[in-house]
Amino acid sequence: ELKVEQNPLFLSMQEGKNYTIYCNYSTTSDRLYWYRQDPGKSLESLFVLLSNGAVKQEGRLMASLDTKARLSTLHITAAVHDLSATYFCAVIETSGSRLTFGEGTQLTVNP
Amino acid sequence: NAGVMQNPRHLVRRRGQEARLRCSPMKGHSHVYWYRQLPEEGLKFMVYLQKENIIDESGMPKERFSAEFPKEGPSILRIQQVVRGDSAAYFCASSHSNQPQHFGDGTRLSIL
Repeated sequence: ELKVEQNPLFLSMQEGKNYTIYCNYSTTSDRLYWYRQDPGKSLESLFVLLSNGAVKQEGRLMASLDTKARLSTLHITAAVHDLSATYFCAVIETSGSRLTFGEGTQLTVNP
Repeated sequence: NAGVMQNPRHLVRRRGQEARLRCSPMKGHSHVYWYRQLPEEGLKFMVYLQKENIIDESGMPKERFSAEFPKEGPSILRIQQVVRGDSAAYFCASSHSNQPQHFGDGTRLSIL
């Protein structure tokens, strides 16, 4: 059974600081996703990572994928308050269709 | 181009009643997925359907829960004889073949 683990689960940081969220998964996968969820809202797709070494950046967020280590990172640069949300990584097993989600990282950016 | 439409957004039921959650996929999408999110947790897969077929229901509770995706009309997730533990947000996602899944806004189910 595929397991996806994120850490940290809770992250409080000051504006302007950098930090990284980690996502480990337990079996082979060729598709990894990062989502953002605001309280009471749906999931907003941030990144789709499809191959080893893939790196994608959007604004202050950058995601990377190492399929050999079964690890993805979401790096936050110079955080701002608007980034406060819960971030989920999710993985689809090779030849599978369903998403398996991590527990989520609740990020709070303080002024 | 409308996204994934779920209704109702909020649903309140008393214990023992039935809950019906609807999901209209994005135009052109024939793959539908249902996920459940308990408070303060991640989403858990329930069922994956293509038109008129259940492909994977390994995440569905064995009793009281059923899902369908008829040839015409939305996908329906039905929960019979609801209990307090069914209170959660239920999200539907759709996709075209192996393309990324797009999520609806969810239905928040509350059981009194």
